[in-house]
Amino acid sequence: GAGVSQSPRYKVAKRGQDVALRCDPISGHVSLFWYQQALGQGPEFLTYFQNEAQLDKSGLPSDRFFAERPEGSVSTLKIQRTQQEDSAVYLCASSPGQTWGETNEQFFGPGTRLTVL
Amino acid sequence: AQRVTQPEKLLSVFKGAPVELKCNYSYSGSPELFWYVQYSRQRLQLLLRHISRESIKGFTADLNKGETSFHLKKPFAQEEDSAMYYCALLASGGSYIPTFGRGTSLIVHP
Repeated sequence: GAGVSQSPRYKVAKRGQDVALRCDPISGHVSLFWYQQALGQGPEFLTYFQNEAQLDKSGLPSDRFFAERPEGSVSTLKIQRTQQEDSAVYLCASSPGQTWGETNEQFFGPGTRLTVL
Repeated sequence: AQRVTQPEKLLSVFKGAPVELKCNYSYSGSPELFWYVQYSRQRLQLLLRHISRESIKGFTADLNKGETSFHLKKPFAQEEDSAMYYCALLASGGSYIPTFGRGTSLIVHP
């Protein structure tokens, strides 16, 4: 079956532009996570959804970052007024259970590479 | 706060040689630890988790609470093992926010 998909795969934005990154999780997966991965670093948690509810947005770096999952499936990460420091790979992951860890694995998408000029 | 340290940015070995990718962590509780792998042009995927105590693709990792380490080992490296490897930690108590190390790039030469 299809895995987690993300679009676009690459995005170049001029500083100050708004961008929207899409994530299609595996069908039926309850949990959805967004991560930011800067060059040479590991992924860093941004936000977490359980179905349509955003239960944790503690990792969002500023109020320019906004995420939604209105129908509990597809999710969009929006970045307003992009800055150069927003340049990174944005990863989406989904998990079948209410969380992940010992009993549930999270499945990652291919990521969206955002470059802000 | 927890931290995961992967001291080697790059590890280069020859085919058939043993390989050990180091992972040290700092956390006061009982963590769940994972190794993730990303092959070239592929997505990040789970390699193994300490709780399952299994060997995947010949790799093993033992949690050493005394040394706070979770090193990944393989006795005989293969060229197809070349990839980026990330160690990750989940805090105890139902946390879902992982802490990842910065990753180690493993290159296995023929």
